[in-house]
Parts: sequence; C-alpha cells; structure tokens
Amino acid sequence: DGGITQSPKYLFRKEGQNVTLSCEQNLNHDAMYWYRQDPGQGLRLIYYSQIVNDFQKGDIAEGYSVSREKKESFPLTVTSAQKNPTAFYLCASSPGQLYGYTFGSGTRLTVV
Amino acid sequence: AQSVTQPDIHITVSEGASLELRCNYSYGATPYLFWYVQSPGQGLQLLLKYFSGDTLVQGIKGFEAEFKRSQSSFNLRKPSVHWSDAAEYFCAVGDYGGTSYGKLTFGQGTILTVHP
Repeated sequence: DGGITQSPKYLFRKEGQNVTLSCEQNLNHDAMYWYRQDPGQGLRLIYYSQIVNDFQKGDIAEGYSVSREKKESFPLTVTSAQKNPTAFYLCASSPGQLYGYTFGSGTRLTVV
Repeated sequence: AQSVTQPDIHITVSEGASLELRCNYSYGATPYLFWYVQSPGQGLQLLLKYFSGDTLVQGIKGFEAEFKRSQSSFNLRKPSVHWSDAAEYFCAVGDYGGTSYGKLTFGQGTILTVHP
C-alpha cells in the first residue's frame, strides 16, 4: 500500500546533539512538508518542498534543516540551534494543489 | 497572511448527540478549506475538503461541513456522535498563491470527548 513512513516513532537525544528524522513516501507526490505539533498550538510549518533539490522555509524554520535529494525522501535535521526541540513532528505529502495532504504517523522527539 | 481560528479548545458531548465544531478563517481570496482528525499519537486523516461549488460538503465517517463566505466559517457537523469519534479535530486553509504550492495553515485544534 502507498503511504508515508516516518521513523523512528520515538527518539531521545541529549541536549546539544543534532538529530535527523526520516520521512519516506511511495505515493509519487511532488510536494512534501514538515510540521511541528505542540499541545494547544496546532501544527506549525517548518519547511516544505515542491520538487527535488528545492525547498522553502516555513514559519518556524530556525534551528532546522532539510534536504530533498530524491522525490521519495524529505529528511528533517533538528540542530543544536533549535531552542526547544521536544515536540511531535509530522511529515506530509501532496500530489499538488487542491488535494490536501497525506500525513505520516509522526515522530515524537524528546531532548533531555 | 491566512489564518484559522477554532474557538473551542475542548468539547464534550454524549454519545448519540449532535456535534458542531466551529472554524473561522481569514484569507484574501477564495479559500480552500479542510477538516482533519487526529487520534492520540497518530498522524492526521482528511475528513473532507471544500474548493468550490456546493457549500455543503460530505466527508468520511458521516461528517459534513458547510462553507459560509459571509461569516468566514467552515463548521464541521455530525448528526449523531459515536464513542470512536473522540479525537482532536483540525481545520485548515490552503494557500495556493505564488510559490506556496498548497501549503496549509492549521487551526489550534478542538479536542472532542464523548461520554457514553
């Protein structure tokens, strides 16, 4: 079945370490997105990408980086510059405008 | 910039009762609107969407939503709630201008609790 796979589901890291969250889709979707979810704040856009080798900053990009070397993959790196990285991270993809998103099941990152 | 407001943070209903979740949006052009549902610790699932045409849209799991341009609203409704509907619900508006490529702006969510 087609879908989006996020891994790992739970991730623990020490403060000051960079960590990379994986997002893979086999839906042949062009666009991919990363959101951060905190209780009571909804979803906030970190980065998005329309095509391979191109991506744009979202509303809260500081302290994060991404790459889009393959259509299927859109990994997110949470760097040590991110002040408060503990959160639930959601990856999504879309075939284009007007279709809405398909979401992955999320990665819960805890920094201790 | 577009925005979405969900005025109710938490709603409690009894099983079998009707439900209405409120959503107000701000967007400069014709909005593209969505409702998503999220179970705890999971991703979001699309319930329904509105782009144009009939202002009453039907979705999955017996949900419907009505677009009211004059009120800038897109409220979600269900005539009879089941215990399995307990979840968090998100309204979203799509930005399709320029290089935005359909990125969505989400409301803060409404948590639905269903009493037996």
